[in-house]
Amino acid sequence: DADVTQTPRNRITKTGKRIMLECSQTKGHDRMYWYRQDPGLGLRLIYYSFDVKDINKGEISDGYSVSRQAQAKFSLSLESAIPNQTALYFCATSDGAATGTYEQYFGPGTRLTVT
Amino acid sequence: AQRVTQPEKLLSVFKGAPVELKCNYSYSGSPELFWYVQYSRQRLQLLLRHISRESIKGFTADLNKGETSFHLKKPFAQEEDSAMYYCALTSGGTSYGKLTFGQGTILTVHP
Repeated sequence: DADVTQTPRNRITKTGKRIMLECSQTKGHDRMYWYRQDPGLGLRLIYYSFDVKDINKGEISDGYSVSRQAQAKFSLSLESAIPNQTALYFCATSDGAATGTYEQYFGPGTRLTVT
Repeated sequence: AQRVTQPEKLLSVFKGAPVELKCNYSYSGSPELFWYVQYSRQRLQLLLRHISRESIKGFTADLNKGETSFHLKKPFAQEEDSAMYYCALTSGGTSYGKLTFGQGTILTVHP
C-alpha cells in the first residue's frame, strides 16, 4: 500500500551516529506509530501519536525520539545509535474515532544496521 | 499491564491439514483482539478482528474470555497461507487503538 512510505528503506550506520527515519502517509489518518521488529520478540511499540500535538512513549522508547511535523509526517530519530538498535523498523497509521475501525496500515519497513 | 503471548515461533503443516495458531492474552478489562499477517514481500496487514466475527481467507478466531485466548484456525491449510502471523490486543480508554503485539508465529504450509 503506497499510502504509507518510509525512507530510507535500508541504512547502515556506525555506533554513535545520529540517524533519522522518516514516515509519510497520504491516508489522512490522525494516528501514527513507530515499531521495531526483532526475531523472537515480535513488534514492539516505540512511540505513537494520536494527533499532531500528541506524542506518547511506547514500551521501548529509551534511545529514541520522534517528531510529528504534520498530520502526514512522523519521524523517528536515534540520537546516538548503538548496535542493539539494529532491527527492522515499521511505521503505521490508523484512523481513530471517526470511523471506529482503528485498523493499522503499515509501511514497507526500514532495515537499520548499526555497526 | 497487557500482554500477548504466542507460544509457537514456528508452525509447520501440510497442505489440506487443519491449522491452529495459538494466542493468549492478559488484560484486566475487556480487550479487543486482532490477527495481523505478513506474507512474503508484502506489508503487515490486518487479517481479522474478533468483534467482526468474520471468516477471512477461511480463517476464524474466537475470543475465549474464560481461557483468555484468541486462537486462529483454518480447517484446510493452503500453501498461500504461509506467512508470519501476529496476534494483537488493544485496550479501552484513552489508549484505545494502540496495539500490543505478540511475538509472532511463522506458519509454513508444505505441499
